[in-house]
Amino acid sequence: QLHLQESGPGLVKPSGTLSLTCGVSGGSISTINWWTWVRQPPGKGLEWIGEIYHGGNTNYNPSLKSRVTISVDKSKNQFSLRLTSVTAADTAVYYCARVGGTYGSGSRHFDHWGQGTLVTVSS
Amino acid sequence: SSELTQPPSVSVSPGQTARIACSGDALTKHYAFWYQQKPGQAPILVISKDTERPSGIPDRFSGSSSGTSVTLTISGVRAEDEADYYCQSTDNSDTYVFGAGTKVTVL
Repeated sequence: QLHLQESGPGLVKPSGTLSLTCGVSGGSISTINWWTWVRQPPGKGLEWIGEIYHGGNTNYNPSLKSRVTISVDKSKNQFSLRLTSVTAADTAVYYCARVGGTYGSGSRHFDHWGQGTLVTVSS
Repeated sequence: SSELTQPPSVSVSPGQTARIACSGDALTKHYAFWYQQKPGQAPILVISKDTERPSGIPDRFSGSSSGTSVTLTISGVRAEDEADYYCQSTDNSDTYVFGAGTKVTVL
């Protein structure tokens, strides 16, 4: 059974950098799937952040692209999120997930999710 | 980018049928997916590719599609179905878009 687990600091100072890692167990990260980050501000809806393929290809939400970097470490079976210049608006529960469906087919979705981790931006 | 529109809330009595619509131009070319999210929990996929029910999802959950809209139907609603429901699709840039979510309240 595939399991994803987010880890990282729960508190980040304004203007700082948010860094999270998603560990994947029960399966290899080097499959046909892409791997993604989604966030959810308290009491609000879901927002897609970006995704990565094990070969290193990435796609980002245009609204966050200038501040986001997603990377992969195949040797550790994990991928990571880096978000720079954070503000209070970046306070959210951050989820990592596996992307299901075929690239370019209009059928892409999120079929396995981590439990999520709350990151608060505050001084 | 494309947008998906959902009603903010739906209320239904136990045993009745809840219907949640999701509309947007992206749905004419791309599939819709539905997620259920209970408080403090991660979303789970309840409907895939407009109408398919993933393994383990009760058959009271169903999906339908027509033009620029899709509908999630919960038949014989139970108290445990009270949750937020999100539709999701992709746009022509192969980025992902979510609806704002619909809170289903079981009266």
